[in-house]
Amino acid sequence: DGGITQSPKYLFRKEGQNVTLSCEQNLNHDAMYWYRQDPGQGLRLIYYSQIVNDFQKGDIAEGYSVSREKKESFPLTVTSAQKNPTAFYLCASNKGVRNTEAFFGQGTRLTVV
Amino acid sequence: EDKVVQSPLSLVVHEGDTVTLNCSYEVTNFRSLLWYKQEKKAPTFLFMLTSSGIEKKSGRLSSILDKKELFSILNITATQTGDSAIYLCAAQGAQKLVFGQGTRLTINP
Repeated sequence: DGGITQSPKYLFRKEGQNVTLSCEQNLNHDAMYWYRQDPGQGLRLIYYSQIVNDFQKGDIAEGYSVSREKKESFPLTVTSAQKNPTAFYLCASNKGVRNTEAFFGQGTRLTVV
Repeated sequence: EDKVVQSPLSLVVHEGDTVTLNCSYEVTNFRSLLWYKQEKKAPTFLFMLTSSGIEKKSGRLSSILDKKELFSILNITATQTGDSAIYLCAAQGAQKLVFGQGTRLTINP
């Protein structure tokens, strides 16, 4: 089955620790995106990547980092510099400029205690 | 700066009512406008619009795009309690897919 897999579903971390969220897709999509969603809010863009080994900052990139070493994978690291990391994180992918819908993973709920 | 704005942010109606959700956008090199429904976790795809004036329909839901006014609406007729969700609008540019804040729709029986 083709799709996007995010792991883990739930993640608890202590304040000051870095944590990495996984996102893998087998849809052969070029573009991948990371969004943050706070309760009752829309999706805010953290980072996006249109091609392997290239990525750009979104609207709220501070305190986050990403890599795109493989087409299928786009991991997000939440660093200790992120002031308020507790949130729901969604990964998405699409064919980029070729006008197709974006597919989403099931999300990771990160709680920092 | 690329921006997508949805209104209203929250809407409460009775079952059977018709609702209209609004989405305005300013995105560099606009390619398409997408609507999603989010109930629990991952948003599910509803529509993708690329041309002005052509209505897309799926059951009780329909949507239309106005590329001159940079605007889209999502209509839901004869609402049901199962329509309760957050509805997200997104604009695809040449590089970015930008979402709005969402409209939280609550349908009361």
